[in-house]
Amino acid sequence: IVLTQSPGTLTLSPGESATLSCRASQSFNSRYLAWFQQKPGQAPRLLMYGASIRATGIPDRFSGSGSGTDFALTVSRLEPEDFAVYYCQYYGGSPYIFGQGTKLEIK
Amino acid sequence: QLQLQESGPGLVKPSETLSLTCTVSGGSIRRSGLFWGWIRQSPAKGLEWIGHICYSGNTYYNPSFASRVTMSVDSSKNQISLQMSSVTAADTAVYYCARLQGDGYCTCTGCIAHFDYWGQGALVTVSS
Repeated sequence: IVLTQSPGTLTLSPGESATLSCRASQSFNSRYLAWFQQKPGQAPRLLMYGASIRATGIPDRFSGSGSGTDFALTVSRLEPEDFAVYYCQYYGGSPYIFGQGTKLEIK
Repeated sequence: QLQLQESGPGLVKPSETLSLTCTVSGGSIRRSGLFWGWIRQSPAKGLEWIGHICYSGNTYYNPSFASRVTMSVDSSKNQISLQMSSVTAADTAVYYCARLQGDGYCTCTGCIAHFDYWGQGALVTVSS
């Protein structure tokens, strides 16, 4: 399975909404899709698992959706701390695969 | 709060073996339903899953690394370890240890599990 994220870079202003896409080369159960946020110099942080289940402490501005080969992460009402790189990840079987990332940058 | 801390040499010579240890604090690695894994990140390859291990010693390796990777558990020290042999410059990366939480019923013989806690990462450079 290959995960392709788009766009590569998304430039938005605080207060706007962002939709990040993750497309898989073959269909899989949405149970096996996670999203991570990574800021410079930090480890990735789990946002969502099972495609749409928010991890502990993640605000409800973050939501995940999708099935089959097309998945999305939506961030509503962008806050300054949301600008980072986002990765999707498949964990339904070996090998676990990460997408190449989408950089969400501030306008 | 659960914390994971990677440690080990920051510089390894080509053809030698990379060795890293992850010390877990704030929780037991023996808790059922958990696995402990290694992921690396480089500019060239991005994030790559290396493998993970259960406290029982059951291991699950990425086929891309399986021939030269060994993971082990030391329950008495609440530590997991990674050894990667025959390294080259392409193995230069930040290496993360992470916890995997099983989704639903989970045993060491295998289950669906997602990464939930990560260490801060350790930069390993392969160079002579």
